[in-house]
Amino acid sequence: GQQLNQSPQSMFIQEGEDVSMNCTSSSIFNTWLWYKQDPGEGPVLLIALYKAGELTSNGRLTAQFGITRKDSFLNISASIPSDVGIYFCAGQKGETSGSRLTFGEGTQLTVNP
Amino acid sequence: NAGVMQNPRHLVRRRGQEARLRCSPMKGHSHVYWYRQLPEEGLKFMVYLQKENIIDESGMPKERFSAEFPKEGPSILRIQQVVRGDSAAYFCASSHTFIRGTGETQYFGPGTRLLVL
Repeated sequence: GQQLNQSPQSMFIQEGEDVSMNCTSSSIFNTWLWYKQDPGEGPVLLIALYKAGELTSNGRLTAQFGITRKDSFLNISASIPSDVGIYFCAGQKGETSGSRLTFGEGTQLTVNP
Repeated sequence: NAGVMQNPRHLVRRRGQEARLRCSPMKGHSHVYWYRQLPEEGLKFMVYLQKENIIDESGMPKERFSAEFPKEGPSILRIQQVVRGDSAAYFCASSHTFIRGTGETQYFGPGTRLLVL
């Protein structure tokens, strides 16, 4: 089935550092989304991208929808301990209701105080 | 994303028993999706439903699994005769109707963690 390749698999950083993670696909998606999942919880939407080339920010988070529509990246600036968690990219193909999300395998982020 | 409710949060079943997982979508949302997450993996799509209709069940195993979203009440994911391999976190997501330009964002519930002994 369709897969998204998400990297890196895990990151260990110091508080205050910037973080970058990305997702690539062999096929085109019309929407890219980034979610964060804390232990024992469901994914929480961070940023949604709807147009190729779009660059969107949400506080210290910035994400871009690749021009080819086959990739996206997420940057976190000046990381803080509460940024710890698993970050997932997700792609959505459809332009109508009912379009499933295809998820990457996640990036586990650890922030050392 | 207040409003997507799932229960129970944790469910323990013995092999051969039935598991029933419930999901109440956010207010105003008429689209429900179920996803399964195995340990240390991403979420995998199972089924998409609208009120009283299964629209896409291509990600759901053909045997033992079923889903419904009745006119009244929550969506139910039902797993009959559970096996150990069914142990996973099951997430429900809901969305409003697709809007051009802003898409159809799916909001997730907290999940049900199923453990089959």
